[in-house]
This record gives sequence, C-alpha cells and structure tokens, in this order.
Amino acid sequence: QKEVEQNSGPLSVPEGAIASLNCTYSDRGSQSFFWYRQYSGKSPELIMSIYSNGDKEDGRFTAQLNKASQYVSLLIRDSQPSDSATYLCAVNAWKSQGNLIFGKGTKLSVKP
Amino acid sequence: DARVTQTPRHKVTEMGQEVTMRCQPILGHNTVFWYRQTMMQGLELLAYFRNRAPLDDSGMPKDRFSAEMPDATLATLKIQPSEPRDSAVYFCASGWGDQPQHFGDGTRLSIL
Repeated sequence: QKEVEQNSGPLSVPEGAIASLNCTYSDRGSQSFFWYRQYSGKSPELIMSIYSNGDKEDGRFTAQLNKASQYVSLLIRDSQPSDSATYLCAVNAWKSQGNLIFGKGTKLSVKP
Repeated sequence: DARVTQTPRHKVTEMGQEVTMRCQPILGHNTVFWYRQTMMQGLELLAYFRNRAPLDDSGMPKDRFSAEMPDATLATLKIQPSEPRDSAVYFCASGWGDQPQHFGDGTRLSIL
C-alpha cells in the first residue's frame, strides 16, 4: 500500500462548481496534513494546512480531516479556470522524522 | 516574502558531465530537502538535512549523487557523472520543525 494515495485524475469540473479532491494515508501516527497546488512548469505552493479532525476553511478552500478513516480532502468552492493545476496531498508521518510524504497529485481542470 | 532560491533555473549538459545545483534556504529554516520530480514518478525525496546534518539520503543513487550543506545558507546537490535518466526537475525546499515546507522554483535539468 502506498503511503499517500490520490486519484491522478484528471478531474474536470465546470466553472462555478465545487471541486472535491481526496487523499488517503497509511500511517496512523500522522500528525500534520498539507495541500499544495502546482501549476504546470511551476513549483508546489502551500495552500492549506490541517492538524486536527474536522474542517478548516480559508476563502474558497476547505480542508477536511478524518484521522479515524485516514482521509483528508480539499474542497474548492466556486471553482475558477485559474484553479486548474495539480493538487498534491502531503502528510507529515510520525515515522518519517519530520519530512513530508507526498501523493502523486490530482490534476484538476476547471472548464469555463 | 522570504523565498527559497535555487540556481541554476535551467541546465542542459552532455552525458558524463558534472552537474551542481545550489539552494539557499529561507533564513531561519533548519531543515532542507532535495526532491526530484518526473512525470512518471512524481515528487521523490532524494535527501534532507536538519541543522546542516544529513538525516536521510536513502532516495539518492549513492554512486553518482551527493548532497552537502557547507553552511546554513547553502545546500548543494551534485551529480557526477550525469546520465540521460537524471533529466528531471530538481526542487529544494526548506522548513522549520513540523511546519510545512516551502519550495524553490526548481532546476530543470536536461542531460543529452
């Protein structure tokens, strides 16, 4: 089992819709969870951090964490074409001595 | 905004040549990471340092790759000799403690 799994996509949503990106992880000792956005040809950019169960909202973005199910998600409300990018889920697993384990990313396409 | 600085941004060289990539982490960050990203493998951790000490370089081909951190403001990744399969984007990232990592713009490496 891969340590951090994401659907590779592409996930295609119409402009204005909600995009839902999902991520599962294998290490139950994981403490911190992050979402990075990576535009084509650019570097990953941190957009959300979440550390405890529940929802965390920041503008149009909501991160959701369920440690019992080992599941973290990112919702993007009112999706815009500028949200089209690859979204990387990253987990700070306890056994990883502080480094992040990255999923392979989900490619999101928002159609005008 | 504080940024991770990587040089060079692009490098094209012939097989067998030595390649050196440099990274200046964000001032105050005590952890520095080197990643390689390809379409096939996604983001792979090559090595990382904490307080300039190497913590893990298990992701790095030992026979040709080496990573060092001669001082707190400079990390280097060397490939000698380079091979076409080393062509990829190499990212440096820095962080502090359990805080999320921040990425540089990357070095796009092409080995002919």
